[in-house]
Amino acid sequence: DSGVTQTPKHLITATGQRVTLRCSPRSGDLSVYWYQQSLDQGLQFLIQYYNGEERAKGNILERFSAQQFPDLHSELNLSSLELGDSALYFCASSPHVAGGPNEQYFGPGTRLTVT
Amino acid sequence: GENVEQHPSTLSVQEGDSAVIKCTYSDSASNYFPWYKQELGKGPQLIIDIRSNVGEKKDQRIAVTLNKTAKHFSLHITETQPEDSAVYFCAASLSGSARQLTFGSGTQLTVLP
Repeated sequence: DSGVTQTPKHLITATGQRVTLRCSPRSGDLSVYWYQQSLDQGLQFLIQYYNGEERAKGNILERFSAQQFPDLHSELNLSSLELGDSALYFCASSPHVAGGPNEQYFGPGTRLTVT
Repeated sequence: GENVEQHPSTLSVQEGDSAVIKCTYSDSASNYFPWYKQELGKGPQLIIDIRSNVGEKKDQRIAVTLNKTAKHFSLHITETQPEDSAVYFCAASLSGSARQLTFGSGTQLTVLP
């Protein structure tokens, strides 16, 4: 158990719908990262938040957005869903100490199926 | 941006033998290289990592080596056991404010009893 929690575990929804994925980082970790894992694209970085602020963006679609709240939990919002958005979505957290360790600990993931 | 290539994509070994997985990276500024193990239905689990100021690191049966000049790093598992069977991912990142990981494509390791 990494200490990172994600809900829900599974999500099945229809095309065009909107969903919200939730992540709680390990106690004390300030950075949260979102990754997408699909069969054809592998593990891809989407977006990073550090202490409530967006820090980096990767291959994240405009239909997707995220935020990190004052209690440091994060939500990933996916809208206008398409069949191709079906994937595993992982959250990872890191202590993010300047010049220090960068270990990222992954949650169990949310499996999104768009029908 | 960074690009990480990983080989082989599948690897089968007999129990007790060693397994080696290799990765190359493109961005010479990358300085942190973790390895993750992912079992079916679970999230990636950090098993070992290495920083650019170190050439080799060992933790029991697992070791990682880094060659910064050649921009490649490798995972070595000795005395493999059936429970080592999983998908292994290498990754690379910088140590600035944006520390996202760029992953290799993964290696399916099967340890045959």
